[in-house]
Amino acid sequence: GAVVSQHPSRVICKSGTSVKIECRSLDFQATTMFWYRQFPKQSLMLMATSNEGSKATYEQGVEKDKFLINHASLTLSTLTVTSAHPEDSSFYICSARDRTASTDTQYFGPGTRLTVL
Amino acid sequence: DAKTTQPPSMDCAEGRAANLPCNHSTISGNEYVYWYRQIHSQGPQYIIHGLKNNETNEMASLIITEDRKSSTLILPHATLRDTAVYYCIVRALYNFNKFYFGSGTKLNVKP
Repeated sequence: GAVVSQHPSRVICKSGTSVKIECRSLDFQATTMFWYRQFPKQSLMLMATSNEGSKATYEQGVEKDKFLINHASLTLSTLTVTSAHPEDSSFYICSARDRTASTDTQYFGPGTRLTVL
Repeated sequence: DAKTTQPPSMDCAEGRAANLPCNHSTISGNEYVYWYRQIHSQGPQYIIHGLKNNETNEMASLIITEDRKSSTLILPHATLRDTAVYYCIVRALYNFNKFYFGSGTKLNVKP
């Protein structure tokens, strides 16, 4: 149980294009999902909290117009990197909180490797 | 959330116990200690968490000192597949559920 998937696992795009990444909780409902970014040899950096049915909340320094987040259902959140540039190349990871679990634990997806040329 | 300090790397022989320390001297009473690990180029994997009592599951044991200022994650019989970066995270339960990752400990399990 507690499986989180991401799609695509890897994407290469040209500078200036937009890229959408999907995060799904496969066997549980998640009212809250989170998006992280990880640069090579660095730790995960929390970008934003995605709340089902409401606007995402962004961490300080993260541009909300650059990283659009939509959480339309209890099992799906999407992150759209708009007008991507090479400096947006990174490993993007989502996580989901199992709202029914007593442990209040986050489960992470496998990540999406974004390369912007 | 309280800040954590972990050694950047550790080595462990295959089959032996791996003991990974974490300092969280500013932890407050309502903050839990969580451990996750990240194998190269994958998403983090939940290992264990606890408040003040020692915890054990099928993956590991978590030992929290009485003053709660430090903890140790124990992998009882490390295998090569346990090579990963291990993150100790301190978080208040229901604090908007946010996890802030530190730099973690790279555990190298050697044959």
